[in-house]
Amino acid sequence: QKEVEQDPGPLSVPEGAIVSLNCTYSNSAFQYFMWYRQYSRKGPELLMYTYSSGNKEDGRFTAQVDKSSKYISLFIRDSQPSDSATYLCSSGTYKYIFGTGTRLKVLA
Amino acid sequence: EAQVTQNPRYLITVTGKKLTVTCSQNMNHEYMSWYRQDPGLGLRQIYYSMNVEVTDKGDVPEGYKVSRKEKRNFPLILESPSPNQTSLYFCASSFPTGGTGELFFGEGSRLTVL
Repeated sequence: QKEVEQDPGPLSVPEGAIVSLNCTYSNSAFQYFMWYRQYSRKGPELLMYTYSSGNKEDGRFTAQVDKSSKYISLFIRDSQPSDSATYLCSSGTYKYIFGTGTRLKVLA
Repeated sequence: EAQVTQNPRYLITVTGKKLTVTCSQNMNHEYMSWYRQDPGLGLRQIYYSMNVEVTDKGDVPEGYKVSRKEKRNFPLILESPSPNQTSLYFCASSFPTGGTGELFFGEGSRLTVL
């Protein structure tokens, strides 16, 4: 079992929809949880990180961690075509583990 | 502009011909790391470095070497490349600050080994 699991998608939604992206992890020692966005032919860029359990909001993006169920979520409100990308969840400390990525397409 | 620069961006080589992929960052970051990205497998860490002269293995270090002689540079060395090292490689850096995972990635280096 991989330490971080992620549904690869692809996920297609209409513009304006609320998108939910999810990951599970297995290592109870993980404390930091990150979401990266990767556009085609580009390097990943950090969207958000959260520490331990709880929610963190940044504009249209909300990251949520539930340590009791080892579940990580990223919600995108009012999704835009520019949000079309691959989203990677990650955790670890210095030795980082990434999910395989979920490809999202927002249709205009 | 704050950035992580990798070279070359694209490379086609043959089995056994030693190559080096360079990585340089201008953000004075202490932490640097290398990843490879393969379809269906995602990003996997090859090596990381907490600071100058301090390196450690990631999940897939076999067939790779690294060195960290200067803070800003972290080259990835393939002494004898094989076709299974055909991949997209990313270098990343960050301040350690407790290992929050706030990584800054380069644009990637696409390597093909024939």
